Amino acid sequence: GENVEQHPSTLSVQEGDSAVIKCTYSDSASNYFPWYKQELGKGPQLIIDIRSNVGEKKDQRIAVTLNKTAKHFSLHITETQPEDSAVYFCAAYTGGFKTIFGAGTRLFVKA
Amino acid sequence: DARVTQTPRHKVTEMGQEVTMRCQPILGHNTVFWYRQTMMQGLELLAYFRNRAPLDDSGMPKDRFSAEMPDATLATLKIQPSEPRDSAVYFCASGHREIAEAFFGQGTRLTVV
Repeated sequence: GENVEQHPSTLSVQEGDSAVIKCTYSDSASNYFPWYKQELGKGPQLIIDIRSNVGEKKDQRIAVTLNKTAKHFSLHITETQPEDSAVYFCAAYTGGFKTIFGAGTRLFVKA
Repeated sequence: DARVTQTPRHKVTEMGQEVTMRCQPILGHNTVFWYRQTMMQGLELLAYFRNRAPLDDSGMPKDRFSAEMPDATLATLKIQPSEPRDSAVYFCASGHREIAEAFFGQGTRLTVV
């Protein structure tokens, strides 16, 4: 079955710096890669996603890249702000509507 | 503002008691998931339903957990008997097959003492 690994587990950056979170997946049949942000006391919320026919997608300060050959995908947050502090999860959708999540990255943005 | 609604938000119960968690998916969504979140295991998929039929519940301990969808507006997750190791946050999420995105509820924080 699919396995998703996510790094780092914790990331601390200064406000205004960039943050990068990386994930790898094992199932080459995976075709949809969402990223979720979870704030304290809340459920995960989708912030951006990418499908396997696209290499990069950007939405304001966040961007995702996908390397299908290497089975890597990454989340990039530029000009980080304190409100970006949260836990971020990558995930891979393997079809049959089964989404496998990474272990999460706790991002701290220091003011 | 469409959202997934979970009740209760918090539950403290004694070991051995039955626990029932409820979820109202977003109207029109045909897929419902149950996830469990712990510090050690992260987000684990327990079960999911499509058009109210259970498609996969392999992530669920079968001897004590059960999940059902009595109708399209209600999904339930029951634990009987509950154990301290069941303490976690349980999330319900709903989605539609064609778009793949899952919308999560606020979760039920379960503490079994």
